[in-house]
Amino acid sequence: DTGVSQDPRHKITKRGQNVTFRCDPISEHNRLYWYRQTLGQGPEFLTYFQNEAQLEKSRLLSDRFSAERPKGSFSTLEIQRTEQGDSAMYLCASSFISGREHNEQFFGPGTRLTVL
Amino acid sequence: GQNIDQPTEMTATEGAIVQINCTYQTSGFNGLFWYQQHAGEAPTFLSYNVLDGLEEKGRFSSFLSRSKGYSYLLLKELQMKDSASYLCAAIDSNYQLIWGAGTKLIIKP
Repeated sequence: DTGVSQDPRHKITKRGQNVTFRCDPISEHNRLYWYRQTLGQGPEFLTYFQNEAQLEKSRLLSDRFSAERPKGSFSTLEIQRTEQGDSAMYLCASSFISGREHNEQFFGPGTRLTVL
Repeated sequence: GQNIDQPTEMTATEGAIVQINCTYQTSGFNGLFWYQQHAGEAPTFLSYNVLDGLEEKGRFSSFLSRSKGYSYLLLKELQMKDSASYLCAAIDSNYQLIWGAGTKLIIKP
């Protein structure tokens, strides 16, 4: 069974460095979401794609964050010039929606980022 | 604005019953999810409600009242492995999920 996978699982970096995370969704899913989660909080929406199109990006997301889904399959999330406040768990989720489904999202294991 | 409220933390005893409440305010409403999240792991799906009433699934049940903007998750015969955070998420008019901060459930023997 190929669920949602994310790579790497853990990343430690120094402030100011760039990092890139990868997410491989469930193959038949057309939607892919990126969330950020800190301790004691629910997932915070960052952005989502429907196929290869990025349809929405959180207003909280600074210009240092960029995401791509070039072929409508895997996605990458890049953070440039990392700051200590970027330390969090970055979750990817995917779903299949073609109409008025309820959009159950399946989550990957997350990438835990620590910025020193 | 859009808002989800749920208690920050609850404590219950092994074998007992616990009810976790969630109230929501969203622009449009297309249903409500409950997810379970163990520490350091990703959220996993528990239940979905779109119509008023109770949905039962084994030891877990979820209730929805659309007129009151209210839902609860009921966990019966609590086990130690049920210690986790429980996230309430409402689906808005754009079919986006609005997430609560989660309720940390602590089970004591």
